[in-house]
Amino acid sequence: DTGVSQNPRHKITKRGQNVTFRCDPISEHNRLYWYRQTLGQGPEFLTYFQNEAQLEKSRLLSDRFSAERPKGSFSTLEIQRTEQGDSAMYLCASSDSTILKDGYTFGSGTRLTVV
Amino acid sequence: AQKITQTQPGMFVQEKEAVTLDCTYDTSDQSYGLFWYKQPSSGEMIFLIYQGSYDEQNATEGRYSLNFQKARKSANLVISASQLGDSAMYFCAMGTNFGNEKLTFGTGTRLTIIP
Repeated sequence: DTGVSQNPRHKITKRGQNVTFRCDPISEHNRLYWYRQTLGQGPEFLTYFQNEAQLEKSRLLSDRFSAERPKGSFSTLEIQRTEQGDSAMYLCASSDSTILKDGYTFGSGTRLTVV
Repeated sequence: AQKITQTQPGMFVQEKEAVTLDCTYDTSDQSYGLFWYKQPSSGEMIFLIYQGSYDEQNATEGRYSLNFQKARKSANLVISASQLGDSAMYFCAMGTNFGNEKLTFGTGTRLTIIP
């Protein structure tokens, strides 16, 4: 298994444009999480899925953000009408909800810069 | 609501010495999980160690051990025999239901190992 894969690694976009990120989790993992990390801070929870069901969304996930996980496999995170405050590292993680002590496996993240 | 506090923004430690990274937490939940992650400059979050709230023994993983003091609500990470490769950001995190859901992260401690 190659771990959690995120694409693209970097994205520079103009304010007002839409962007979409993709996350491919570890295939055996039923849970998938999205986090956002700004400079000098720890990751902040955005949303998570169990299989294809989106179980929780953070207040941070405004109307401009949407996440999907069709068929319980890969997931996409879309940001519409990007703002400069959206500039951050977007991290995806996956886990097997029955094996907690193995922790979550994170991807390398997508760094978004809004200019 | 859950809160993680890491009071050491940065630490410098001589190679081969042991180091303790502090973490205190606050939660009203009885069943929770505590995690430590390492984030090198490359950006990926690497899972180090897990402690469940009802685990009677402190968790250990190789050179990493977690000093869990439930009454004090502290979960300090101890790294024995530090190596140059240990230089990184370290994040403490917790999740309810033994960590089976979203994680709340602290602000991190930047550890620098001096040769």
